[in-house]
Amino acid sequence: DAKTTQPNSMESNEEEPVHLPCNHSTISGTDYIHWYRQLPSQGPEYVIHGLTSNVNNRMASLAIAEDRKSSTLILHRATLRDAAVYYCILRDVNDYKLSFGAGTTVTVRA
Amino acid sequence: DAGITQSPRYKITETGRQVTLMCHQTWSHSYMFWYRQDLGHGLRLIYYSAAADITDKGEVPDGYVVSRSKTENFPLTLESATRSQTSVYFCASSEQGWTEAFFGQGTRLTVV
Repeated sequence: DAKTTQPNSMESNEEEPVHLPCNHSTISGTDYIHWYRQLPSQGPEYVIHGLTSNVNNRMASLAIAEDRKSSTLILHRATLRDAAVYYCILRDVNDYKLSFGAGTTVTVRA
Repeated sequence: DAGITQSPRYKITETGRQVTLMCHQTWSHSYMFWYRQDLGHGLRLIYYSAAADITDKGEVPDGYVVSRSKTENFPLTLESATRSQTSVYFCASSEQGWTEAFFGQGTRLTVV
């Protein structure tokens, strides 16, 4: 399985942008880059996913490097409700498995 | 209501008993997943399924059995519960192998 590397933790101030990096140097051409988050005492929640091009939705933006070996999840204006563990996951279309790593714990300061 | 639901939400059982956790989704998604999450730790994949009657082992399948006779249901059975299986269990589904997955609210299982 292609693996991802994320920082253990990040801190941010409320209403400031948050940039969450993810390295995936062994990514294959059939891997989609997925991001999920898990708020305290809740199940995981889908955030965004992409293949090659940058993606935007109402929750976040996903910036994918040209060589696809890294990506960045961008929360444009962090709120206290964005405090969660964020997971960067590679999902192979030929395998369909969805495996979670340790993720990045994001703390938002008021 | 559309969505993915797990039942029961909470369960206490005794060591050695058989327990079945239910997962039901209303979207007719092909792909379904079971995870466990121990206190303070990440999610570990137990089993997953691409369609009715197609299942695969994940990272920690020992002690668990799954079946998928209908697309919308994916029950997880602990054949003989042990204390080490005390955990929160999450079920998920996705339409395709690369699309977003949706998670249930979780089942908190305690084995005493």
